[in-house]
Amino acid sequence: AQKVTQAQTEISVVEKEDVTLDCVYETRDTTYYLFWYKQPPSGELVFLIRRNSFDEQNEISGRYSWNFQKSTSSFNFTITASQVVDSAVYFCALSDPLWAGSYQLTFGKGTKLSVIP
Amino acid sequence: DGGITQSPKYLFRKEGQNVTLSCEQNLNHDAMYWYRQDPGQGLRLIYYSQIVNDFQKGDIAEGYSVSREKKESFPLTVTSAQKNPTAFYLCASLGQGATQPQHFGDGTRLSIL
Repeated sequence: AQKVTQAQTEISVVEKEDVTLDCVYETRDTTYYLFWYKQPPSGELVFLIRRNSFDEQNEISGRYSWNFQKSTSSFNFTITASQVVDSAVYFCALSDPLWAGSYQLTFGKGTKLSVIP
Repeated sequence: DGGITQSPKYLFRKEGQNVTLSCEQNLNHDAMYWYRQDPGQGLRLIYYSQIVNDFQKGDIAEGYSVSREKKESFPLTVTSAQKNPTAFYLCASLGQGATQPQHFGDGTRLSIL
């Protein structure tokens, strides 16, 4: 069975601090996607990144960076110089194996990030 | 603009009543999904459909029903058998081959009167 664990339920940081959100996943398959989504207070899910299990290169997009380590089944997300607008719930998600073709997602329970001005 | 429209944004259900949540997409996506979100919880899959006139149960399908008569539409009915329907419901769609990630609607918040 697939599982995604986001051990940090809530995090509070002061504006301009860096913060890392942890994600650990479990799967028996070798081909899958990993995702991060942001859910602001308004409720919609905003896509941030998708990673193919074959691509372990770290990625940076502006103040956001992601560290994918297959050896430890982790896909951590770092926000540099956090801003109040970053306050949201962040979800990590794991897809079904790509051979299955259903692309169902298993979500973690989310980490609520509060950035204090 | 292409996207997913969920309606209504807020919905109230009386005891013993069935209610239907609407999800329409104009992205020409083949697959559509319904998720339920409870406070402090991640999203859990209720039903999904990969093609018109076909759908599959997800992890928590009991008390829900769906139909997929048109590619653009995937309505979810919350039946009276669902004893704890208060939640935030999100609809998503996905294009063929999953070259893009799942695209989500803005959600419907369902409450019991």
